[in-house]
Amino acid sequence: AQSVTQPDIHITVSEGASLELRCNYSYGATPYLFWYVQSPGQGLQLLLKYFSGDTLVQGIKGFEAEFKRSQSSFNLRKPSVHWSDAAEYFCAVGAQRISFNKFYFGSGTKLNVKP
Amino acid sequence: EAGVTQFPSHSVIEKGQTVTLRCDPISGHDNLYWYRRVMGKEIKFLLHFVKESKQDESGMPNNRFLAERTGGTYSTLKVQPAELEDSGVYFCASSHPGQPNYGYTFGSGTRLTVV
Repeated sequence: AQSVTQPDIHITVSEGASLELRCNYSYGATPYLFWYVQSPGQGLQLLLKYFSGDTLVQGIKGFEAEFKRSQSSFNLRKPSVHWSDAAEYFCAVGAQRISFNKFYFGSGTKLNVKP
Repeated sequence: EAGVTQFPSHSVIEKGQTVTLRCDPISGHDNLYWYRRVMGKEIKFLLHFVKESKQDESGMPNNRFLAERTGGTYSTLKVQPAELEDSGVYFCASSHPGQPNYGYTFGSGTRLTVV
């Protein structure tokens, strides 16, 4: 069965520090992987996605993620966090190949940024 | 273009009452999805419409939930009668059939509190 695990419920980092949010997935086929972010009062915004090819993908707002098949992981990183990055982050696996009629989400990681 | 619109943004109702959530997808997006996040848990798939047809409603919790999409435009999700465990954030999303690889566009959600 498909599932996504985000082991860290809350993370606090200082502004300017580096960030890594962990994501592990379980999926029987080649996964389509996504990271979404939800800022307070906002909808879920797509940060980046991986389908195939280069395992290091770049997204918006300076985020990147690396797909590691051997570890079933898709961790999100940012070299220098800004206060505006405080939000909740969700990793997701997209089921289906042709049309993503279903996402499996992790339970989210809430990021706090210290000044 | 206008995004996915959901209303109300918040709803507080008593147990046993009825609530109807509405979602207006992006114009031209045939695919419409409902997801739900119960407090602190993962975001879970509820159902998927293609135009006015339900393609997958495997995530609907029980028969107290009824989703409709008359005319293939906006969708409603009715909960009748509401129970305490129905509290959570209900997200709607839409996608264009010709752009399955771009993920969904999510609305900002409706926070439902059943007291």
